[in-house]
Amino acid sequence: DADVTQTPRNRITKTGKRIMLECSQTKGHDRMYWYRQDPGLGLRLIYYSFDVKDINKGEISDGYSVSRQAQAKFSLSLESAIPNQTALYFCATSGDTTDTQYFGPGTRLTVL
Amino acid sequence: KQEVTQIPAALSVPEGENLVLNCSFTDSAIYNLQWFRQDPGKGLTSLLLIQSSQREQTSGRLNASLDKSSGRSTLYIAASQPGDSATYLCAVKRNQGKLIFGTGTRLQVFP
Repeated sequence: DADVTQTPRNRITKTGKRIMLECSQTKGHDRMYWYRQDPGLGLRLIYYSFDVKDINKGEISDGYSVSRQAQAKFSLSLESAIPNQTALYFCATSGDTTDTQYFGPGTRLTVL
Repeated sequence: KQEVTQIPAALSVPEGENLVLNCSFTDSAIYNLQWFRQDPGKGLTSLLLIQSSQREQTSGRLNASLDKSSGRSTLYIAASQPGDSATYLCAVKRNQGKLIFGTGTRLQVFP
């Protein structure tokens, strides 16, 4: 079984809808991250969490919110989706600041 | 602001060639640098991680080097194979675990 899983894998939604992307990990890591990937822009950090009581904004947090429900679960919400949030979203985990980051398979989100 | 650039953006080579992928970054104050591989429809897989105090790391046919003073890293792939076809991303780690990614090099190795 995969160590980092994301649901759903694909989602098509309409402008204004609320969307939640979920991430679960079995690696026992404290640190979790949400990134988005756009063609030509690389991956950019949305939010990150170093433990269940810690939430930090990344470089592009506007329009997004997160919830760290448990050490193993980190969800990303789009309160009111807009077309320019169409992207590939990745969740990642790491053990500490020097450790490798492990990525989930991604969620492809399309906002019409 | 840290910026990470990868050249070339795309590369197509015949099987068996040795090749070099380049990554440059503007701020030398990094904790480490990672090289990832991304296959279509899949997540990123970490290939090599070089700590800021190291000069290179090797794994099988892959060798990554780091020159912090010049803000450069290279990923050397020996004896390329069609299975190496993927997008290769480099990322530098700043404080608090944040990764700054380059835009990647899309590699195609043809038989």
